Amino acid sequence: NAGVTQTPKFQVLKTGQSMTLQCAQDMNHNSMYWYRQDPGMGLRLIYYSASEGTTDKGEVPNGYNVSRLNKREFSLRLESAAPSQTSVYFCASRAGGMTEAFFGQGTRLTVV
Amino acid sequence: AQSVTQPDIHITVSEGASLELRCNYSYGATPYLFWYVQSPGQGLQLLLKYFSGDTLVQGIKGFEAEFKRSQSSFNLRKPSVHWSDAAEYFCAVGGPATDSWGKLQFGAGTQVVVTP
Repeated sequence: NAGVTQTPKFQVLKTGQSMTLQCAQDMNHNSMYWYRQDPGMGLRLIYYSASEGTTDKGEVPNGYNVSRLNKREFSLRLESAAPSQTSVYFCASRAGGMTEAFFGQGTRLTVV
Repeated sequence: AQSVTQPDIHITVSEGASLELRCNYSYGATPYLFWYVQSPGQGLQLLLKYFSGDTLVQGIKGFEAEFKRSQSSFNLRKPSVHWSDAAEYFCAVGGPATDSWGKLQFGAGTQVVVTP
C-alpha cells in the first residue's frame, strides 16, 4: 500500500521561483493536511482540507496556496519562494471521526 | 485556541532505564490526543492515540500514555528504553476529522538520546 505519497522528495529553488508540491493518498481519506517542520518548532499547520472542495488556513499560511484537486490529491504552491520557506514539508491524510493522521515521507525544500 | 507544550526539548536516557515524556495541551472541547515518533530523515509514525474511554492507552514498541483531564496532560512512558528508541517524539491534539475541528496541533517535539 502506498499510503501518502509526496513528490518531489528534494528540491532546490532560487528566490522568486515558483513550484508546486504534490500529495496524493490512496486510503480514501476525507481530510488532508500540509505541515512544515523546522528545527525546534515541531510541525506547523499550513493548510487543512476537511473534505474535497474545502480548504482552511492553518498557523502559517502566508506565502502558500493550496488546491484540493479531488479526494485523493492536495497540492501546495509557493508562488514566489523566499529563503524563509526553506523547510521540510509534510503532507498527511485522515479518515473521518476518531482517526489518526497518516504522513508522507516529506519534501525537503531549500530556497537559495 | 488549541496548543501543545512539550516542556523538554532534549532528554538523555541510559539504555534499560525508564523514559517519560511530558505533554500539556490546551483545547476547547474533549481532545483527541496522539503521540508520534520520527526517526532521522523519516516521516512520522503513530505510537498511540486517545479518543475516549480508558485513560491509560497502550501503543506500539512498548509505549503507553496516560490522559489526565485535570492536569491537561498526556504523558508518554516506556519502562525500559532500547537504543532504537532514539528519535524525536511529538505530541498532538485535535478533534474529529470533520470541518475545522479536524486541525491537528503539534508540540515542538522532544529529542531522545539513548546512551549505552
